[in-house]
Amino acid sequence: DAGVIQSPRHEVTEMGQEVTLRCKPISGHNSLFWYRQTMMRGLELLIYFNNNVPIDDSGMPEDRFSAKMPNASFSTLKIQPSEPRDSAVYFCASSEGGSSYNEQFFGPGTRLTVL
Amino acid sequence: AQTVTQSQPEMSVQEAETVTLSCTYDTSESDYYLFWYKQPPSRQMILVIRQEAYKQQNATENRFSVNFQKAAKSFSLKISDSQLGDAAMYFCAYRGGYNFNKFYFGSGTKLNVKP
Repeated sequence: DAGVIQSPRHEVTEMGQEVTLRCKPISGHNSLFWYRQTMMRGLELLIYFNNNVPIDDSGMPEDRFSAKMPNASFSTLKIQPSEPRDSAVYFCASSEGGSSYNEQFFGPGTRLTVL
Repeated sequence: AQTVTQSQPEMSVQEAETVTLSCTYDTSESDYYLFWYKQPPSRQMILVIRQEAYKQQNATENRFSVNFQKAAKSFSLKISDSQLGDAAMYFCAYRGGYNFNKFYFGSGTKLNVKP
């Protein structure tokens, strides 16, 4: 398996622009997580899905952030409009649900820079 | 809510020596799992080791072992015979309870390995 795939790996955009981050989880995994990592705040859980349904989006910072999972093999995290403080590394992770024993597998991350 | 605390922002160890990274957590649940993840400069998050709360025996993976003290809610990681490739950020994580899918991460410990 190719692991969790994220695209793009790097994104540089200007303030006010829309940004869409993409994630393909590992086949067969039914839980998907979006994290944001910054030096100041560490690793933050933004939202996670179970069987394509959003379970907890309490970590989404504000209405500018939205996430979708239209099917089991694809998810997007959208920021509209983007702001410089959104600059961070965004990770997508997937896991087999149903048992706490199952680890999360992380993607390589998308480094977002908002100018 | 569960919290995970890593009180050592940064540590250093001499190559071939042993180092212990600390992690404490707060929970009222009796059934849960604990994980240590490694994040090298490449940013890729990699599972190092996991521990099931109902198992008294400490988990071991080659040079990596844990000291799990359930009553004290402590979960430290010991790295023996440290190698230069062990230099990374290490994150402690908790998963369990009613919501089996959610992970709680600590703030991380940066490990430096000196040649």
